[in-house]
Amino acid sequence: GQQVMQIPQYQHVQEGEDFTTYCNSSTTLSNIQWYKQRPGGHPVFLIQLVKSGEVKKQKRLTFQFGEAKKNSSLHITATQTTDVGTYFCASSNYKLTFGKGTLLTVNP
Amino acid sequence: GAGVSQSPSNKVTEKGKDVELRCDPISGHTALYWYRQSLGQGLEFLIYFQGNSAPDKSGLPSDRFSAERTGGSVSTLTIQRTQQEDSAVYLCASSSTGRFEAFFGQGTRLTVV
Repeated sequence: GQQVMQIPQYQHVQEGEDFTTYCNSSTTLSNIQWYKQRPGGHPVFLIQLVKSGEVKKQKRLTFQFGEAKKNSSLHITATQTTDVGTYFCASSNYKLTFGKGTLLTVNP
Repeated sequence: GAGVSQSPSNKVTEKGKDVELRCDPISGHTALYWYRQSLGQGLEFLIYFQGNSAPDKSGLPSDRFSAERTGGSVSTLTIQRTQQEDSAVYLCASSSTGRFEAFFGQGTRLTVV
């Protein structure tokens, strides 16, 4: 099945700094989804990308899908304490497979 | 219901006992997943149901684990002869197919003592 590798595992930033997490696969992905899990919570869907080279924005969040559809990134501009949590990428060929996630902590 | 519902929210059981965890997916969702998440860890895939197809059980860690989905709706995850390493949060998710966004329940926190 499709495997997605996510880096970094942890990222600590000062409030106001930018943050990026990367998702990579050795095979072409049919789509990429991003989820956020707040501490003590459950994963919540953020966005899905399906097209080669696709870029989508949600306020301070920018999501990209690589031209070869083998990698994706989530970039947060000017982090806030509300951004704290674990960000997961996931891909579904026929079942949803998650990366191991990046835990973001923000120092106020 | 409006979302995915899991019960119980917390379960403490003695080592060696059997437990059943329940998931009520969003009505009409054909895909249902079970994942396990240990403290501070990622989402470990357990099992996937899609419509009337045979479930993908490739993630079940041992034959003590089993799951069923009745009538294409409610699912039950059963762990027999629980061990301490089974302690984790068990998350259920559903989606309209396997290729669209998954909605997660709040999870069942299982503690084996």
